[in-house]
Amino acid sequence: DTAVSQTPKYLVTQMGNDKSIKCEQNLGHDTMYWYKQDSKKFLKIMFSYNNKELIINETVPNRFSPKSPDKAHLNLHINSLELGDSAVYFCASSPMRGDPSKNTQYFGPGTRLTVL
Amino acid sequence: AQKITQTQPGMFVQEKEAVTLDCTYDTSDQSYGLFWYKQPSSGEMIFLIYQGSYDEQNATEGRYSLNFQKARKSANLVISASQLGDSAMYFCAMRLRGYQKVTFGTGTKLQVIP
Repeated sequence: DTAVSQTPKYLVTQMGNDKSIKCEQNLGHDTMYWYKQDSKKFLKIMFSYNNKELIINETVPNRFSPKSPDKAHLNLHINSLELGDSAVYFCASSPMRGDPSKNTQYFGPGTRLTVL
Repeated sequence: AQKITQTQPGMFVQEKEAVTLDCTYDTSDQSYGLFWYKQPSSGEMIFLIYQGSYDEQNATEGRYSLNFQKARKSANLVISASQLGDSAMYFCAMRLRGYQKVTFGTGTKLQVIP
């Protein structure tokens, strides 16, 4: 029944490593997102894909690379992890129909990344 | 550019009382959507309520209602009959028509006191 799922829920790793976070939604939505929530709870969009096509790419280091194999999946790969990458990463999805301003985003449970 | 402002970093409310969480927004667009999300200590983001800029009625969802004042560009969340489980961070957000990006406010931490 899970609508938007992410794996893993927790990720602890050393500086310099490469890691991936996976996201899947079973809501039939066309658009998926990655957000970063910092220690002060500020939520900032990183990327958005619509039907596997990148439509939003905020100012994010190119060590972060999203990949959407199909419209139900959006993965986030991070190269050469740095201490400042420690945060909670949320995946979200929303439909793409009619007036986009009406389309609600539904969030996954988040992945807490800790870089040591 | 769009901006969401939540001026209350933290609030307390007595159980069973009503509470209003403030949200103001800034946009020159006429068509937009406003959202409120709840984030309990467990971390998930839970959608609560939506208000469209052209909606004439204030949105309501159970104990949640949105006090929408378009001229003042405010979209305050009202929680009636607060419960202990309402203790959480609350985020206001806005999306413009024709634009996939959603902008979030900095959040308000609500604590319900027994």
